[in-house]
Amino acid sequence: EAGVAQSPRYKIIEKRQSVAFWCNPISGHATLYWYQQILGQGPKLLIQFQNNGVVDDSQLPKDRFSAERLKGVDSTLKIQPAKLEDSAVYLCASSPGRDTQYFGPGTRLTVL
Amino acid sequence: GDSVTQMEGPVTLSEEAFLTINCTYTATGYPSLFWYVQYPGEGLQLLLKATKADDKGSNKGFEATYRKETTSFHLEKGSVQVSDSAVYFCALNTNTGNQFYFGTGTSLTVIP
Repeated sequence: EAGVAQSPRYKIIEKRQSVAFWCNPISGHATLYWYQQILGQGPKLLIQFQNNGVVDDSQLPKDRFSAERLKGVDSTLKIQPAKLEDSAVYLCASSPGRDTQYFGPGTRLTVL
Repeated sequence: GDSVTQMEGPVTLSEEAFLTINCTYTATGYPSLFWYVQYPGEGLQLLLKATKADDKGSNKGFEATYRKETTSFHLEKGSVQVSDSAVYFCALNTNTGNQFYFGTGTSLTVIP
């Protein structure tokens, strides 16, 4: 079966610009996660969707980050405006239910 | 709150050496436990998991046993190879909201 797809793989922007990332989860997976992974650290959950509803967005910086999952399938994560400290790898993962996540390859964002 | 603490790295071993990466957790209830591996430039891949106390997860020569009495899930491999060089993440799933918590990761380098 196809894995979790993410695009783009790499993005370089200047601070204060906007950027958007796209994720297509494994078919049939109800739960979708966005994580931020700063170099040398473990993934930090930004937002968790169950179908098209938000389960947890407590660590999402809502003044600049937004995410949506229309129709309960693919999802976009947006940053507007970006700051230097947003430089990280943004990982998308999906899960069919209880336990086990499947991760995409990630998008590496560099903010200059 | 729920959390995972894992051994700080980096770890450097010679090929065929024995590997242990320590992981302990704090959680309410009965979480599922995971080890994920991240090769350079790639997303996280599930290495092994255990869903209840005394379960042993195993894959590719790696093993970890879910020890409730010591709240631990240490990763072991009897003979490492150069191809095992990667970052290893311990994680738990709370099972009450399908939420995951990751450790900070342990970088392993295996030299020939």
